[in-house]
Amino acid sequence: KNEVEQSPQNLTAQEGEFITINCSYSVGISALHWLQQHPGGGIVSLFMLSSGKKKHGRLIATINIQEKHSSLHITASHPRDSAVYICAALRKTSGSRLTFGEGTQLTVNP
Amino acid sequence: NAGVTQTPKFQVLKTGQSMTLQCAQDMNHEYMSWYRQDPGMGLRLIHYSVGAGITDQGEVPNGYNVSRSTTEDFPLRLLSAAPSQTSVYFCASRAEGYTEAFFGQGTRLTVV
Repeated sequence: KNEVEQSPQNLTAQEGEFITINCSYSVGISALHWLQQHPGGGIVSLFMLSSGKKKHGRLIATINIQEKHSSLHITASHPRDSAVYICAALRKTSGSRLTFGEGTQLTVNP
Repeated sequence: NAGVTQTPKFQVLKTGQSMTLQCAQDMNHEYMSWYRQDPGMGLRLIHYSVGAGITDQGEVPNGYNVSRSTTEDFPLRLLSAAPSQTSVYFCASRAEGYTEAFFGQGTRLTVV
């Protein structure tokens, strides 16, 4: 079992839909990152959070430390949101390493 | 502010050749890491460094070498390339503590 698991692996939505991507982890963490990777492109950090909720534009990230679970929500989705979304746990031990989920491929159709 | 600069963007190697992937950051970050990304798998840690002169192995270090002689630079050396090293490689850096990670643009390496 992976230490960081994401669901779903693939997600197709229509423009305007509300989208949720989930991330569960089994290791002790200091913080959790949500990252975005566009096709053929690099990886950018969307959020880093250790408790509660963060919002940036149409993106919202939440984390429940007790349940070891985080969600990334996209409101009013748009085709330009199509990308791979990756959660990564910043571990409390092991040299503060990042452990990554496999990613969720999101496609938003017009 | 350039962030994390990773070169080259693409590379094709023959089996047995060696090469160095370059990574430089201008944010004075202590932590630097190299990852590989393969289909169906999350990013996996190859080697990392917590400061100049300090490096350590990650999950998949075999066949790779690193050094950290300055804070800015963290090159990854492939000693004798193998087809199993065909992958996309990312360099990342972050400051000490609970801080955001910054990634390079990636290197798509093919070993034939």
